[in-house]
Amino acid sequence: DAGITQSPRHKVTETGTPVTLRCHQTENHRYMYWYRQDPGHGLRLIHYSYGVKDTDKGEVSDGYSVSRSKTEDFLLTLESATSSQTSVYFCAISSQRGQSYGYTFGSGTRLTVV
Amino acid sequence: KNEVEQSPQNLTAQEGEFITINCSYSVGISALHWLQQHPGGGIVSLFMLSSGKKKHGRLIATINIQEKHSSLHITASHPRDSAVYICASGGSQGNLIFGKGTKLSVKP
Repeated sequence: DAGITQSPRHKVTETGTPVTLRCHQTENHRYMYWYRQDPGHGLRLIHYSYGVKDTDKGEVSDGYSVSRSKTEDFLLTLESATSSQTSVYFCAISSQRGQSYGYTFGSGTRLTVV
Repeated sequence: KNEVEQSPQNLTAQEGEFITINCSYSVGISALHWLQQHPGGGIVSLFMLSSGKKKHGRLIATINIQEKHSSLHITASHPRDSAVYICASGGSQGNLIFGKGTKLSVKP
């Protein structure tokens, strides 16, 4: 029942190279989110989208950009990867914005920057 | 800014034990989420609750809005319950603020 898929699942890249992670959903949900998960921290919001071409920054947006040209796809780009961006990245979707609505998470992308 | 705190950070239990994980938050909310993450796995939503109690199988979640506190209970714990349990509640941008998680290990 993978209404949300992330690709790639794993990636190793070199410092300074650009990297794009993809989140694809089949639920037609309006809201999409990118989070990163690091030891000692809860999931932290990087960017989110509230519609096609509508995005906003989250808590830890520096060094990241996003794009959403179609309802189903939300791309996260690291313009020039750094070692501090080694993390597990999760995409999430929700039909409505806010804490009172259910969220569905992707399986995560483990990114290592060497 | 809402802050979400969980306790304990780590929990080891014997199979069959009753388990409680606690979550407190600093700002009034309309709903709180409990999530489960297995090692190397994705994140699954267990509960979303705004008052009282919800039950699903051996899992029970309670919330006390006045005290800004929620608990997740697991009855008759089993090794397959070993996972990280995460609580989350409302953030200022309409998104969720997550606790750091409680790592549960259930020994046979």
